[in-house]
Amino acid sequence: EAQVTQNPRYLITVTGKKLTVTCSQNMNHEYMSWYRQDPGLGLRQIYYSMNVEVTDKGDVPEGYKVSRKEKRNFPLILESPSPNQTSLYFCASSFGGLGEAFFGQGTRLTVV
Amino acid sequence: GESVGLHLPTLSVQEGDNSIINCAYSNSASDYFIWYKQESGKGPQFIIDIRSNMDKRQGQRVTVLLNKTVKHLSLQIAATQPGDSAVCFCAENGGTGNQFYFGTGTSLTVIP
Repeated sequence: EAQVTQNPRYLITVTGKKLTVTCSQNMNHEYMSWYRQDPGLGLRQIYYSMNVEVTDKGDVPEGYKVSRKEKRNFPLILESPSPNQTSLYFCASSFGGLGEAFFGQGTRLTVV
Repeated sequence: GESVGLHLPTLSVQEGDNSIINCAYSNSASDYFIWYKQESGKGPQFIIDIRSNMDKRQGQRVTVLLNKTVKHLSLQIAATQPGDSAVCFCAENGGTGNQFYFGTGTSLTVIP
């Protein structure tokens, strides 16, 4: 089944404790992206990647890092999480920047 | 940053009626637009897309209209069904091709 898989689905952590949210897709997509979703703000793009070893900042990249060492994986790294990074995070993939994007189920992160 | 807005935050329709959801965008350089729906607890799901060289595109029961003169996008759903109930939101690429800006969404409720 074609899918984008994020882990974990839920995470509660403390300020400053490094964490990684994994994202994996099985559709051989070149383009992958991370978004955060906050009430009243809609989805905001954090980082995106056009292909392996190619990553670019989105609209809200501060406090986040990403890597794209393999085509299928695009982990989101929070080196020192802060409470303002409490949010619902989505990973997405598509064949190119344009076209239908497939989203994961989301990761609800709470930083206390 | 981009400003992508929706005219109405909620829309209730009777089952079988047609629905129209509107979206205003601000960046005249945007050349690609997408509509997504998001059901509670799930990731966004692609509905339909349109490029700026078109003013109308039809899918199964859905039509997207693009008016570049007034920077307006609309999603029309024919014979709306209870399964269409979701938050629908539009996104634009700001002319960048790879970076996306999302609206906050309209909550569509279909009354059986």
